[in-house]
Amino acid sequence: EVQLVESGGGLVQPGGSLRLSCAASGFTFSSYSMNWVRQAPGKGLEWVSYISSRSSTIYYADSVKGRFTISRDNAKNSLHLQMNSLRAEDTAVYYCARDTLSGSYFFDYWGQGTLVTVSS
Amino acid sequence: SYELTQPPSVSVSPGQTASITCSGDKLGDKSACWYQQKPGQSPVLVIYQDSKRPSGIPERFSGSNSGNTATLTISGTQAMDEADYYCQAWDSSTYVFGTGTKVTVL
Repeated sequence: EVQLVESGGGLVQPGGSLRLSCAASGFTFSSYSMNWVRQAPGKGLEWVSYISSRSSTIYYADSVKGRFTISRDNAKNSLHLQMNSLRAEDTAVYYCARDTLSGSYFFDYWGQGTLVTVSS
Repeated sequence: SYELTQPPSVSVSPGQTASITCSGDKLGDKSACWYQQKPGQSPVLVIYQDSKRPSGIPERFSGSNSGNTATLTISGTQAMDEADYYCQAWDSSTYVFGTGTKVTVL
């Protein structure tokens, strides 16, 4: 069974940093590209970042470019998101989502999410 | 940047058909998918590559994509289908989500 379990969320002050993690199991993690997607309270889904299976290709949404860094450790089946210079508008539930192997860009499995609150 | 627009809400009676549209420039040239999200839960993929259903998704969910519009159709809508629905496509190294549609089963 595919499982994605996020952790690392919490309350942080504006300008602060936080590191999210996603533990993957039930599939060959090193074969799949992975993503972070977020959802502000009461709002829609917003894609944040993508990393290919071997970390050779990385994309970011314009809203986080230069502040967030995605990474992965295939030996530990884990995905990470380092978030710096956090703003109030970064407050959201952050989901880890698996990309497909089909060549089409969509997410076939999602984690349960971890809440990040940026507030003083 | 690329945008996908959905109606904010759709209401449907039990057993009837609900259609949710997703509009974007030349969306039919791209591959569209749809996610269902119930309150307090993570999104679930219900349609991918315009019209394919993942394993475990009921046959009442179907999709199409042509021109500037992708459509998710729920036939014989059930109370359990009440949820938010999001379309999604990929454009210029960016994953784009639609604005979301709340489906209410009256």
